[in-house]
Amino acid sequence: QQQVKQSPQSLIVQKGGISIINCAYENTAFDYFPWYQQFPGKGPALLIAIRPDVSEKKEGRFTISFNKSAKQFSLHIMDSQPGDSATYFCAASITSGTYKYIFGTGTRLKVLA
Amino acid sequence: NAGVMQNPRHLVRRRGQEARLRCSPMKGHSHVYWYRQLPEEGLKFMVYLQKENIIDESGMPKERFSAEFPKEGPSILRIQQVVRGDSAAYFCASFPSREAWFNYGYTFGSGTRLTVV
Repeated sequence: QQQVKQSPQSLIVQKGGISIINCAYENTAFDYFPWYQQFPGKGPALLIAIRPDVSEKKEGRFTISFNKSAKQFSLHIMDSQPGDSATYFCAASITSGTYKYIFGTGTRLKVLA
Repeated sequence: NAGVMQNPRHLVRRRGQEARLRCSPMKGHSHVYWYRQLPEEGLKFMVYLQKENIIDESGMPKERFSAEFPKEGPSILRIQQVVRGDSAAYFCASFPSREAWFNYGYTFGSGTRLTVV
C-alpha cells in the first residue's frame, strides 16, 4: 500500500527525443506527487510536482501527466538533452501528514548526443 | 546560504564500530529529514526531526539507529555497531515551512556514503 512502483529502471534516448518515465501507486491517501532529479554524487533536487486536482502540469520541457482513476503518473521530458542524463525519482506524499515522501526506485536516464 | 551541509562525505567503518553522520540544514530551516539510499534503490524515509524533537521515526530501524537535532548544532544520525548491510548513502533534507515544502520540496544535502568493511 505504501509502495510507489517506477518504470523503466533505465532508459536511453537520443538527443531531441522524448523521455517517458512512469509511476504507479496504491494508497489513495497520497495527494502530492513530486519528481526529483539526481546527478551522480549529489542529493536529489525537486524538478516538478503535481496535486491530483489537475491532470497535467508543464514546466519548460518537463511535463507531469496524472491519471487519478488509474493511480498512475508520468514524467515526460521533451527535446531531451545530454545534460538531462541523471537518475529520476518519482515520489508520493500525504499533505496532511509529516511531509515524508515514498520514493520510487528510480530511473537512470542517458541521453545520447 | 551554503545549502544543506553533510559531513563527512565518505565514511568507512569496520563492523562493530559506531558511525556518526552530521547534517547542518539551511539557515532558517527547522524541519530536518534523514533518508537512506541503498545501492540501485530509491530513498527510504528514516526520521523527521524539528529542533529538539523527533516528530516521526517510523522509518528508523528499531535497534542501533538514533537521531537528534539539538537546539544548537547540527542534526546527528548515529549508527551503533555497524554491519555490512548499513552500507548506503544517507541523505539529509530540510525545509523552512509547509508552504515552502509545497512549492520547492526539500533541499537535500549531497549525502554521506557509508561503507562498512
